[in-house]
Amino acid sequence: KAGVTQTPRYLIKTRGQQVTLSCSPISGHRSVSWYQQTPGQGLQFLFEYFSETQRNKGNFPGRFSGRQFSNSRSEMNVSTLELGDSALYLCASSLAPPLAGGLGADTQYFGPGTRLTVL
Amino acid sequence: AQSVAQPEDQVNVAEGNPLTVKCTYSVSGNPYLFWYVQYPNRGLQFLLKYITGDNLVKGSYGFEAEFNKSQTSFHLKKPSALVSDSALYFCAVRDLGSGTYKYIFGTGTRLKVLA
Repeated sequence: KAGVTQTPRYLIKTRGQQVTLSCSPISGHRSVSWYQQTPGQGLQFLFEYFSETQRNKGNFPGRFSGRQFSNSRSEMNVSTLELGDSALYLCASSLAPPLAGGLGADTQYFGPGTRLTVL
Repeated sequence: AQSVAQPEDQVNVAEGNPLTVKCTYSVSGNPYLFWYVQYPNRGLQFLLKYITGDNLVKGSYGFEAEFNKSQTSFHLKKPSALVSDSALYFCAVRDLGSGTYKYIFGTGTRLKVLA
């Protein structure tokens, strides 16, 4: 079974630009979460989607947005990029969120990440 | 508020020796607890989880973790470390009592196994 795929793997942008990252979950998984990983802040939760609905949101500004499509693929968008947005963006998929799919259904499986560099 | 603490930034251990990577948590309800490992330039790989039942959980690559409710800990252990175990390890918790069920990750512990 193919794992979680993320595209692109590497991206270089300049301040003020916007960027869209894509995530394809494991086949059959309907829940997708996004995380930002930086050396200083560690792993920070961005948002979680299930059945095209945002179920959870982390403490990030409105410049960060996401969506999920009917085939469970997800995209996240960052507008008006800042230098501090440089990070590894990780996508994770699971069968379902907690309690919606039974015990353990929400184990998350991560993609390789998209490395975003903002110059 | 939910939180996860990994008190050690780095753990060094000699190959063949037992290893422990520490994790403590704070949640309002019953926790789901997870360990993940990250190798350089890779995403996180799932190692093991505790949801309910036996406090000793066995996972991938010979790792295990013990859930201790009274100490609110979920330490990762392996009886005999390998050089290839060198990586960044993350503990995570889902708080089922919070209503949001967000995943909260620790800051990570870098494990270095010395040959």
